[in-house]
Amino acid sequence: DAKTTQPNSMESNEEEPVHLPCNHSTISGTDYIHWYRQLPSQGPEYVIHGLTSNVNNRMASLAIAEDRKSSTLILHRATLRDAAVYYCILYNAGKSTFGDGTTLTVKP
Amino acid sequence: GAGVSQSPSNKVTEKGKDVELRCDPISGHTALYWYRQRLGQGLEFLIYFQGNSAPDKSGLPSDRFSAERTGESVSTLTIQRTQQEDSAVYLCASKQTYNSPLHFGNGTRLTVT
Repeated sequence: DAKTTQPNSMESNEEEPVHLPCNHSTISGTDYIHWYRQLPSQGPEYVIHGLTSNVNNRMASLAIAEDRKSSTLILHRATLRDAAVYYCILYNAGKSTFGDGTTLTVKP
Repeated sequence: GAGVSQSPSNKVTEKGKDVELRCDPISGHTALYWYRQRLGQGLEFLIYFQGNSAPDKSGLPSDRFSAERTGESVSTLTIQRTQQEDSAVYLCASKQTYNSPLHFGNGTRLTVT
């Protein structure tokens, strides 16, 4: 399976932007890049996904490198409710493998 | 509409007993996944069902683990002769089509004593 690499943890101040990186150097041409986040005691929830172009939605933005070997999830103004574990996964037909994700701490 | 529903939400069992975990996916979702999440760790893929195709069982950790799905509806994950290392949260997710996002339930927390 194609694998992703993320930092174990990151910190941000409230109301500041947060850039969460993900490396996926073995991505194949048909793999989509999906991001999920998991709040305590809940299942993961979908955040955003993309294939080649940058994407924006109400939750976040996704910036994808031109060679697609890395991507960055951007939270434009972090809130305390954004504190969670963020997972970047490569998504294709069939099983989707999650890594250990990045634990985001947001300081007031 | 209703999301992915898992039951029970918590299960405590004695070592050696069998347990059955249930997942009700979102109606119309053709694909269903089971994951295991140990305390403080990421999600570990267990099994994947897609329509009427043979399931991908490559993540099942031992022959004590099995899962079934009837058509595109309910799935059950069965763990036989439970061991303490089986203690974890078992998460189910479903998706509608090839590139649809995964929708997760809140999981079943299994504790083996």
